[in-house]
Amino acid sequence: GAGVSQSPSNKVTEKGKDVELRCDPISGHTALYWYRQSLGQGLEFLIYFQGNSAPDKSGLPSDRFSAERTGGSVSTLTIQRTQQEDSAVYLCASSLAGGTSVETQYFGPGTRLLVL
Amino acid sequence: GNSVTQMEGPVTLSEEAFLTINCTYTATGYPSLFWYVQYPGEGLQLLLKATKADDKGSNKGFEATYRKETTSFHLEKGSVQVSDSAVYFCALSDRQAGTALIFGKGTTLSVSS
Repeated sequence: GAGVSQSPSNKVTEKGKDVELRCDPISGHTALYWYRQSLGQGLEFLIYFQGNSAPDKSGLPSDRFSAERTGGSVSTLTIQRTQQEDSAVYLCASSLAGGTSVETQYFGPGTRLLVL
Repeated sequence: GNSVTQMEGPVTLSEEAFLTINCTYTATGYPSLFWYVQYPGEGLQLLLKATKADDKGSNKGFEATYRKETTSFHLEKGSVQVSDSAVYFCALSDRQAGTALIFGKGTTLSVSS
C-alpha cells in the first residue's frame, strides 16, 4: 500500500518568506508526527497529532512554526518569515493509533528546505 | 529528561566483518527502543525494535537486546555487507513523556568490499 508522502520534495525560498510543507499519512493512521533533521541538531521532534485531540506542540522551536491537520488526515506545516537556520529536512511520520510507545512510526521521504 | 546517546561515526568496515554500534539511553519511564536506518537517498525506515526489558529485536541479520540494567540497546550484526552502508539511528519512545521518538545523533556505517 501507499506509504507516507510529502510535498514538495525540495523547496528553496528567500529569507523572510513563508513556506508550507504537506504530509499525507498512511490511510487509516490516526497519529501524525513532524520532525526536523538538520546537520547541527540531528533529528528533532516538532509536533504530534492524535485523532481529534489537541496537538502536542512542545517541540516547535518558535512561534513562526505552526501546523494543522484537516479532517484527521493531511497535515500542513507552515513556517513564517523563514530564517536561514530553518534550512533542514522536514520529516513526517504516521502510526496506526498513537498514544502508546510501542507503535512503529512510518516516515515519509522528507522535504528538503533551503532558505537563502 | 529523556535522551539517547550513540557512538560517533563514521564506522568503516570490510565486508563480512562484525558490527557493533553502541547505544545507551536515559528515560524516566519504561521506554520502547528502536533502531532506524537511512540508506543513501532514501527515507528513514524501521530496522528493529524492542518494547520491554530483555526483549531482543532482530531483522535482516541485525540484532539488539534491551538491557535495562545497563540502559543499553547496542546494534550488532555478525557479517556486514556493502549494502548495509547507511546511517543508523537509535531512538526511544516513552509514553510518560509523550510518544514522539527521541533520536540519537546517528552513526554512519561504510562497508567496503
